[in-house]
Amino acid sequence: AQSVAQPEDQVNVAEGNPLTVKCTYSVSGNPYLFWYVQYPNRGLQFLLKYITGDNLVKGSYGFEAEFNKSQTSFHLKKPSALVSDSALYFCAVRDMRGTYKYIFGTGTRLKVLA
Amino acid sequence: SQTIHQWPATLVQPVGSPLSLECTVEGTSNPNLYWYRQAAGRGLQLLFYSVGIGQISSEVPQNLSASRPQDRQFILSSKKLLLSDSGFYLCAWSKEGTPYNEQFFGPGTRLTVL
Repeated sequence: AQSVAQPEDQVNVAEGNPLTVKCTYSVSGNPYLFWYVQYPNRGLQFLLKYITGDNLVKGSYGFEAEFNKSQTSFHLKKPSALVSDSALYFCAVRDMRGTYKYIFGTGTRLKVLA
Repeated sequence: SQTIHQWPATLVQPVGSPLSLECTVEGTSNPNLYWYRQAAGRGLQLLFYSVGIGQISSEVPQNLSASRPQDRQFILSSKKLLLSDSGFYLCAWSKEGTPYNEQFFGPGTRLTVL
C-alpha cells in the first residue's frame, strides 16, 4: 500500500536550534516526495521535492530534506529555527498506481519557542 | 505566473442549504485540479480530482459533488449541507504530464454549517 507517515503530532524547538520534522513513506517503485507548509487559515505552500539524484534537497525559506532510501525516510530539516517557522508541515508522496493523486501525511505542528 | 483563486473565503450556511464553492486557475492550461477538505487544522482529505473538462474522480462518497465546466474552473457543490460538511476546503492544481510536479494550493474557504 502507498502511504506516508509523520510520527510526531508536534515538535517543539528553541529558536536558533536545528529542527527536524520526520516523514517515512511506503510506495512501490521510485518515490516522488514533497514537503508543504501551512500557516493558520491559509493554503499549503510548497517547500521542496525529491525526484531523483542528490539525496539532500534544498528548498524555500532555508529548509532542506534528506532522502534516505534504505530507511524510506524524507525528513525535513533546518539548521537554525525561527519563531516564524512555527506552522503545520505536511509530507506527501505521489501515488504511482496510475492515478493523479498525492498521498499526504497527517501533518506535524512545529512550534519554535523564543 | 500562475495563480489560483478560491471564493468565497468564508461561508456560514444553515443545515440543508445548497453549496457552491468556486476555484479558478490562471496562467496555465489543462491543469490537474483537486478539492480537499481539512478538518480541525489537521490532515487533508481528498474529495475530488479532475484531469480534464468534464472528467471528475470522486474519492469519498458523500453529499458533495464537483464539476469542471471549463479548463481552469473547478466547482464544489452540495444540494443539502450537513453539519459534518463544516471544514476548510482547499483547491489545488498541478501541471499535467509528469508525476513529480508539485501541487499549488488556493487560499481556502472556511465553511461553517449551523
